[in-house]
Amino acid sequence: EADIYQTPRYLVIGTGKKITLECSQTMGHDKMYWYQQDPGMELHLIHYSYGVNSTEKGDLSSESTVSRIRTEHFPLTLESARPSHTSQYLCASSPEPGNTIYFGEGSWLTVV
Amino acid sequence: AQSVAQPEDQVNVAEGNPLTVKCTYSVSGNPYLFWYVQYPNRGLQFLLKYITGDNLVKGSYGFEAEFNKSQTSFHLKKPSALVSDSALYFCAVRDMRYGGATNKLIFGTGTLLAVQP
Repeated sequence: EADIYQTPRYLVIGTGKKITLECSQTMGHDKMYWYQQDPGMELHLIHYSYGVNSTEKGDLSSESTVSRIRTEHFPLTLESARPSHTSQYLCASSPEPGNTIYFGEGSWLTVV
Repeated sequence: AQSVAQPEDQVNVAEGNPLTVKCTYSVSGNPYLFWYVQYPNRGLQFLLKYITGDNLVKGSYGFEAEFNKSQTSFHLKKPSALVSDSALYFCAVRDMRYGGATNKLIFGTGTLLAVQP
């Protein structure tokens, strides 16, 4: 099992604020992912990284941005939060292709 | 187009009875199939996967899944349900675009399992 840590777990923030959701994994996995999930709903891939300095947009368009400067760290940033960004954000990682993708506990973002 | 279908939004079962959560898939080539469980306000926990080999895959917490290539299905099963099994269950298939090199997953819409005492 991979250890994936997400902070904060819960965040309530005002409209227009900049926020960064942190994600770290300790297993040296090359591939990392950010999924967005509304409560009890399906998951949508919003960002993907297959290694340091490589990131791609996912299948669902998102106003967030990501960076991958270190293998273990994959933060997600919203420059100006809006109520439509209210959702759960799940970070995940995996080793070589074909292997299991492991998820963190999620970050619940509420923008008021 | 690649896809995963979970035809039931909710499955209700009495504690002690067997349970089945259905999943069908559409993907090119040999599928890599996964089941995850999500408890309230938590992330997804990996239950089991099928890559190759025996069609019956055993996983965590007494769950198992049966791969059926002719029916393109990968149903999740448990012989005796527990109240603590109540959660949201997601089926997923590996995205085979680019030969699967991205290792992305395509998720179903989820099935809420409710086990009554």
